[in-house]
Amino acid sequence: DVKVTQSSRYLVKRTGEKVFLECVQDMDHENMFWYRQDPGLGLRLIYFSYDVKMKEKGDIPEGYSVSREKKERFSLILESASTNQTSMYLCASSLFGGRSYEQYFGPGTRLTVT
Amino acid sequence: GNSVTQMEGPVTLSEEAFLTINCTYTATGYPSLFWYVQYPGEGLQLLLKATKADDKGSNKGFEATYRKETTSFHLEKGSVQVSDSAVYFCALSGMNTGFQKLVFGTGTRLLVSP
Repeated sequence: DVKVTQSSRYLVKRTGEKVFLECVQDMDHENMFWYRQDPGLGLRLIYFSYDVKMKEKGDIPEGYSVSREKKERFSLILESASTNQTSMYLCASSLFGGRSYEQYFGPGTRLTVT
Repeated sequence: GNSVTQMEGPVTLSEEAFLTINCTYTATGYPSLFWYVQYPGEGLQLLLKATKADDKGSNKGFEATYRKETTSFHLEKGSVQVSDSAVYFCALSGMNTGFQKLVFGTGTRLLVSP
């Protein structure tokens, strides 16, 4: 069974803390994605990676950075957490190439910044 | 740029009722179109997809037809069940991103009562 796992389901952090969200996939996918999900806004892409050490900004990269040192692992970093980063964070992966490849999602991390 | 518009929810139905969730899109060229579903407490999973005009995607009793002339991909099901209660997202991938990234609508919550 294909799987995308995220390190935490729920996380509470204080303003100004550095926060790491980890994502691991076991499908040997080239592409990995970080989204945030907010009510009324749907899913918005934060960052995208199509290969190890390769990354591309999405629609809302401000305040975030990413790291991909191994193919199976993609980390989202909040350098200095702020209350407006309270949200649900979803990781996904997919094969590279082809117009019909689906994205596989992890269960999400609900982050609260106080 | 590419965008997806879907009807606001929640959509509230009784069991065995007919379901339609509207989705329209804006894109250059011929995008691929998807419906994803998010059950409570879970990540998104692919429900169905279509990659060219007049294709019909279907799965678990749900159907959607890729209509190029109306730029639509409406989701339908003839008889909903309580277990279909979830949030449904329409999405597209376009030529401008090599079909690697998805653009999501804002999601439509479906509530089915017994």
